[in-house]
Amino acid sequence: AIQMTQSPSSLSASVGDRITLSCRASQAIGNDLGWYQQRPGKAPILLIYDTSSLQSGVPSRFSGGGSGTDFTLTISSLQPEDFATYYCLQEHDYPPTFGQGTKVEIK
Amino acid sequence: QVQLVQSGADMKEPGASVKVSCKASGYTFTSYGVSWMRQAPGQGLEWMGWMSPYNGNTVYAPKFQGRLTMTADASTDTAYLELRTLRSDDTAVYYCAKALTGRYQYDHWGQGTLVTVSS
Repeated sequence: AIQMTQSPSSLSASVGDRITLSCRASQAIGNDLGWYQQRPGKAPILLIYDTSSLQSGVPSRFSGGGSGTDFTLTISSLQPEDFATYYCLQEHDYPPTFGQGTKVEIK
Repeated sequence: QVQLVQSGADMKEPGASVKVSCKASGYTFTSYGVSWMRQAPGQGLEWMGWMSPYNGNTVYAPKFQGRLTMTADASTDTAYLELRTLRSDDTAVYYCAKALTGRYQYDHWGQGTLVTVSS
């Protein structure tokens, strides 16, 4: 199975900051990657699919990039509701696998 | 609007089976795949499998082969997950999710069902 490694595991940031989260695949996955946001006690929300396509209804401050094995999720200006845990999910190979998550906390 | 509403929390003893339901509304149930994921307490997300409500085709993650069955009832727009021979490490919140067309990415999720396995 493809292993997905996210970094950092947690980060502290302030409202208005620009942050970038990373996700690395153990082998090339093309652009078959999505990003999810999960707030405590809630179900995940799809933010990005196909590496960089913004899901309908998701604010434009979220953007995705990368290809092959290295991918990023950028939040251009952190808002209070963005403090959450973020997961990447690869669908290039069976079985689909999630990263372990990056928790974004308030500084 | 699209909604996936799951059955309530459940507690089982080790060795038992659990069946979780997921009722869909707001879209054509048979036109999109449904997957199940789970999340152990304080842990990350784990993909369990996918099924087509249209024809019943299923794809299971290797670690659940032989213990997991996913089914769907198109007459009630409801998907089901059954997990057998439960162990304590099956304690988790189980989520159903609607897949993007032909994909293993998920645009709508159920609210989650906590399954606790304990003697």
